[in-house]
Amino acid sequence: DQQVKQNSPSLSVQEGRISILNCDYTNSMFDYFLWYKKYPAEGPTFLISISSIKDKNEDGRFTVFLNKSAKHLSLHIVPSQPGDSAVYFCAASEYPGNTPLVFGKGTRLSVIA
Amino acid sequence: KAGVTQTPRYLIKTRGQQVTLSCSPISGHRSVSWYQQTPGQGLQFLFEYFSETQRNKGNFPGRFSGRQFSNSRSEMNVSTLELGDSALYLCASSPQGQTGELFFGEGSRLTVL
Repeated sequence: DQQVKQNSPSLSVQEGRISILNCDYTNSMFDYFLWYKKYPAEGPTFLISISSIKDKNEDGRFTVFLNKSAKHLSLHIVPSQPGDSAVYFCAASEYPGNTPLVFGKGTRLSVIA
Repeated sequence: KAGVTQTPRYLIKTRGQQVTLSCSPISGHRSVSWYQQTPGQGLQFLFEYFSETQRNKGNFPGRFSGRQFSNSRSEMNVSTLELGDSALYLCASSPQGQTGELFFGEGSRLTVL
């Protein structure tokens, strides 16, 4: 049973436009969410996180939105740059530090110049 | 500060063999987690070690095992290899546990023939 779902395996966006990556979860106990970015032949790197007490968190060009009632979060990248082309993983945990992070299958973002 | 180091980076084994992968966490990090990444399944949690104790375990058969040493270095072992064990095995460390921001190594790419 997949608790974290990224239903779009891939996404293609033009440089300068907005990239929106989506993630749904089923476990209502999840209250901490993260996005990781992964380039080929490298390990995933942490991008941005949000706890369930917030509905939005921004870090430069990256913004994560959380809709708890819909069990949905999204990552917005504005403006998109070619260097953003990577696989993005959504992850969730019940409580930071106590339970393993559960990852989605990832979405491959291609930013076209 | 040196990052998470995994060895070997690439290895090829045949069915029935066993393999040991090594992970050196970031200095000062006491928690080490292992994940398996396959194209169709994303990142799946194997286990987490903290201060030499296995704190969490994922849903993998007993052929997958691990340990952590007093210097926080960790090893994972897979016995009686199967074709389906071919994957990228990722190690991640964090200061106290799965506090959200895991620091990943580049992974060990295992191919089972």
